[in-house]
Amino acid sequence: LAKTTQPISMDSYEGQEVNITCSHNNIATNDYITWYQQFPSQGPRFIIQGYKTKVTNEVASLFIPADRKSSTLSLPRVSLSDTAVYYCLVVYSGYALNFGKGTSLLVTP
Amino acid sequence: EAGVTQFPSHSVIEKGQTVTLRCDPISGHDNLYWYRRVMGKEIKFLLHFVKESKQDESGMPNNRFLAERTGGTYSTLKVQPAELEDSGVYFCASSQEEVTASSYNSPLHFGNGTRLTVT
Repeated sequence: LAKTTQPISMDSYEGQEVNITCSHNNIATNDYITWYQQFPSQGPRFIIQGYKTKVTNEVASLFIPADRKSSTLSLPRVSLSDTAVYYCLVVYSGYALNFGKGTSLLVTP
Repeated sequence: EAGVTQFPSHSVIEKGQTVTLRCDPISGHDNLYWYRRVMGKEIKFLLHFVKESKQDESGMPNNRFLAERTGGTYSTLKVQPAELEDSGVYFCASSQEEVTASSYNSPLHFGNGTRLTVT
């Protein structure tokens, strides 16, 4: 299973763009990169998934370089409600076995 | 559409007692998963159902844990007898059937979890 490494925590002001980078050096050919968001007392919530290059949806963008050994989740103009833990997962067979510690994002006014 | 629901939201039991957690997946989702986070640790996979069949139960900690999904709808996770180290948050998730291994993988839809406290 591919192991992921991401920052333990990040702070940001409202309105800024936040980029969270995840390393996954031993990603396999069939693995996808998936990001989840988790608020306190809730289950993780799917944000975005990609295989290579760039993926964008209404919530975030995901940048994946050609070697796929890392990925960057980009949250445009964060608000206070984006304060959460963000998990980077490398997924093959449709379910993640390792959530890792995630990145705790704190957005302040 | 209704999301994944879990019951109860919180359970406090004494060591040695039995507790049964329930998960109702999103209607039509064949894949159902159980995860848990014990205090201070990461979220860990427990097992995976495809319909009523256990596809992967490699994460089940020991034989005190029994998961069932009769009829391929809701699932239960029973802990008997409960120990102190079983305390944590138990999450259930469901997903649609995978398209193929080389294409988009269905994201997991999580419930809000059941917080289990064993005293």
